[in-house]
Amino acid sequence: AQKVTQAQTEISVVEKEDVTLDCVYETRDTTYYLFWYKQPPSGELVFLIRRNSFDEQNEISGRYSWNFQKSTSSFNFTITASQVVDSAVYFCALAPTGGYQKVTFGTGTKLQVIP
Amino acid sequence: EAQVTQNPRYLITVTGKKLTVTCSQNMNHEYMSWYRQDPGLGLRQIYYSMNVEVTDKGDVPEGYKVSRKEKRNFPLILESPSPNQTSLYFCASKPGHGTYEQYFGPGTRLTVT
Repeated sequence: AQKVTQAQTEISVVEKEDVTLDCVYETRDTTYYLFWYKQPPSGELVFLIRRNSFDEQNEISGRYSWNFQKSTSSFNFTITASQVVDSAVYFCALAPTGGYQKVTFGTGTKLQVIP
Repeated sequence: EAQVTQNPRYLITVTGKKLTVTCSQNMNHEYMSWYRQDPGLGLRQIYYSMNVEVTDKGDVPEGYKVSRKEKRNFPLILESPSPNQTSLYFCASKPGHGTYEQYFGPGTRLTVT
């Protein structure tokens, strides 16, 4: 069985602070993919990143970075110099390799960036 | 424009009155799925479909039905809605081959009184 844990229910930071959103997963599959999605206050779900379990290199995209550590089953997401537009609910998700496999989402972390 | 559409976006109904939420995608995706989002519970999968006429239960299928008669459409049917089905519903699609991100519809806010 798969499980994704986002222990931080809500986080508040002041604008320009850095913030890290934690994601810990459990799976018995040897290969899998991890995802992050953003849900702004408008409600839509926006894809941010997909990472293969074979690739443990950290990834940076502008102010966003992701730290994948297979040894601790974690896939954490850091926002550098946070902005008000980063205020959203962020979901981490896990899927076994293969197109028809079930995707498991975490319960989400609500980030509030205070101006 | 590649997109997943859902209708209606908002719906208030009464207990027991059958309803259908439609979902359509224009990307020729094989895989489609329905989720419900509830506070503190995140996104939970209701049903998914791997292709036309192929569907399977997700984590919370009780009280829901689906069908996949055409590749582009994947309606969610509530035969006898109950108040505990009040939720925000999302339809999603993705290519069947490979493990790709899902494209989500805008969501349907359902209230059952």
